[in-house]
Amino acid sequence: DAGITQSPRYKITETGRQVTLMCHQTWSHSYMFWYRQDLGHGLRLIYYSAAADITDKGEVPDGYVVSRSKTENFPLTLESATRSQTSVYFCASKQNTGELFFGEGSRLTVL
Amino acid sequence: SQQGEEDPQALSIQEGENATMNCSYKTSINNLQWYRQNSGRGLVHLILIRSNEREKHSGRLRVTLDTSKKSSSLLITASRAADTASYFCATMNQGGKLIFGQGTELSVKP
Repeated sequence: DAGITQSPRYKITETGRQVTLMCHQTWSHSYMFWYRQDLGHGLRLIYYSAAADITDKGEVPDGYVVSRSKTENFPLTLESATRSQTSVYFCASKQNTGELFFGEGSRLTVL
Repeated sequence: SQQGEEDPQALSIQEGENATMNCSYKTSINNLQWYRQNSGRGLVHLILIRSNEREKHSGRLRVTLDTSKKSSSLLITASRAADTASYFCATMNQGGKLIFGQGTELSVKP
């Protein structure tokens, strides 16, 4: 199916563990984004990517790593999860006219 | 700090009334966008207005942009209970980065 999919949708992990959130889009959009959404903070940009092998920091990149070896995939890795990274994570891709299409989100709980 | 700030944070109206949400931002933009989010779901794009545009319409939505005041407004006319959601403005800079505000929670009572 065409669109943007995130996996897993729900994840519980422990402090210090590595977690990878996956994002896949079928449109071949150049730009992709990762946001986190927390009560009282709205959506905050973690990292974004303008094309394969090109990534850049957003507003809150510390503690996260991204890669973009293929245009369609943009995984987000928490190398050593902390409780403050408990959040809902949204992936998005941008079409040429400028608007973003969002996935349904990945809800991460770090115990 | 976030680029867009929305006002009010929460808005409760009756069906049939109009809802107005405001957004202010700090730096120069390429375009400004409005999104909607239903509870527990991803964001859905509503409307995009470019920096050289002043007003845009889409169905019951009307967006204005005043670049001299660095502000935008979203008007939903004749609101319906199904319009209940959170609404976010977001600003895009020349480099393609899109930064969101904290959103307005709209509640439309039947």
